[in-house]
Amino acid sequence: QVEESGGGLVKPGGSLRLSCAVSGLTFSHAWMTWVRQAPGKGLEWVALIKSQAMGTITYGAPVEGRFTISRDDSKNTVYLHMNSLTSEDTAVYYCAHVDTNSGNYFLGQWGQGTLVIVSS
Amino acid sequence: VLTQSPGTLSLSPGERATLSCRSSQSVSSSFLAWYQQTPGRAPRLLIYGASIRATGIPGRFSGSGSGTDFTLTISRLEREDFAVYYCHHYGDSITFGGGTKVEI
Repeated sequence: QVEESGGGLVKPGGSLRLSCAVSGLTFSHAWMTWVRQAPGKGLEWVALIKSQAMGTITYGAPVEGRFTISRDDSKNTVYLHMNSLTSEDTAVYYCAHVDTNSGNYFLGQWGQGTLVIVSS
Repeated sequence: VLTQSPGTLSLSPGERATLSCRSSQSVSSSFLAWYQQTPGRAPRLLIYGASIRATGIPGRFSGSGSGTDFTLTISRLEREDFAVYYCHHYGDSITFGGGTKVEI
C-alpha cells in the first residue's frame, strides 16, 4: 500500500513537503516515483528515486532544481520537498511504486493522491 | 514523446474500443504500460509489458504492439470502462501519453 500526505494550500514562492508511506513490500529495494496531475489535465512525471544501494535520482524538467526527492528506509517513507512553488505546481500529487521485478517496468501501486494548491 | 489518439472516443456499451499510443522513437515493450483513470481516483494499472494484463484486470482488456506503435483494445465496453486511459513508458525519464477519454 502507498499513502501520501502533506498536501495543502501554500502561497507562491513557498515550500511544502509531501510524504509517502509504503507498506507490503521490501521498501529498501523499492524504486518510488512521484507523478502529478493538474486540474483537468493529464499525468506528469515529477521525480524518481531508486533504491539507496543504487543511489539514482532523476527529475522531470519542470521541477528540476526546485524539488528534491528523498527516502528514509527506516520509516518506509519517500518525501518530496517542493520549493519556489508557483501556480503551475497546483496539482494532485501521486506517489507510486515502480515495479521492476518481472523485467517489465511499470507503476504497479499508486497512492490516493494529495492535493497541493499554490495560491495567494 | 508518447502521442495517444484519438483524444476522445464516443462509443456505446458493448462496442469495441481501440486506443492508440505512438512513440516518437522505438521503445522496448518491457517498458510500455497502460493505466485507467476514473474521475476523482488514482490511475490503475491495466497492462504492462505492452500486452500482459495486470492482476484482476478482466479479459476484455488487451494490449498489443511493438516498436513505436501500441494499442489498447477493450473488446466489449462495459459501463465501468468509460474512463481516461494513459499509456506510459519507463525510460531515461518517465513519460505519459496525453490520454484518451472513452465516453458514452
